[in-house]
Amino acid sequence: QVTLKESGPGILQPSHTLSLTCSFSGFSLSTYGMGVSWIRQPSGKGLEWLASIWWNGNTYNNPSLKSRLTVSKDTSNNQAFLKVTSVDTADTATYYCAHTLEGAFDYWGQGVMVTVSS
Amino acid sequence: NIVMTQSPKSMSISVGDRVTMNCKASQNVGNNIAWYQQKPGQSPKLLIYYASNRYTGVPDRFTGGGYGTDFTLTINSVQAEDAAFYYCQRIYNSPLTFGSGTKLEIK
Repeated sequence: QVTLKESGPGILQPSHTLSLTCSFSGFSLSTYGMGVSWIRQPSGKGLEWLASIWWNGNTYNNPSLKSRLTVSKDTSNNQAFLKVTSVDTADTATYYCAHTLEGAFDYWGQGVMVTVSS
Repeated sequence: NIVMTQSPKSMSISVGDRVTMNCKASQNVGNNIAWYQQKPGQSPKLLIYYASNRYTGVPDRFTGGGYGTDFTLTINSVQAEDAAFYYCQRIYNSPLTFGSGTKLEIK
């Protein structure tokens, strides 16, 4: 059974770096074809894909945020990570991680709310 | 960058009706489209992948179609529990862009 759970700071100040962790079970990020993606959703708005990391270490970022995003993984501990630099209020959202197979998100975490506020 | 445009933005349908919503890609994506359902307070759920393949456990009243730039999600005999937002998404190739969503309300 595949499960994912996001964790993060809850609230952080503008210009700081957001660090999120996705802890998962039921699959390995060292298995061919597996990936973990990050998606966010501001309250009352739509979904925005942020970044993906694959079993082979390849990463892909949303071009609109590319320079601010870093995605990484710890295969041994079944975790994936997302860092977003220089946050501002527009980064306030629920952040999801999702198991990714050929670009489709078939298992999602419950999401973690992040508020950027001074 | 690719843009996924969904229409209509919202629709109100009676139980038992058939509904079709649309997703248009700004460039040819082949059949690399997925559809998701999101209910209030919940994470999205995968319904359809590669345009027309129903994901495990999805009721057969959900049908996806299309190729290239124009795609549809049809729900036959809509049920009350189908009230939700529906999102299309380009899959397989980056960027994995979402559409802006269609809100389905049940009268």
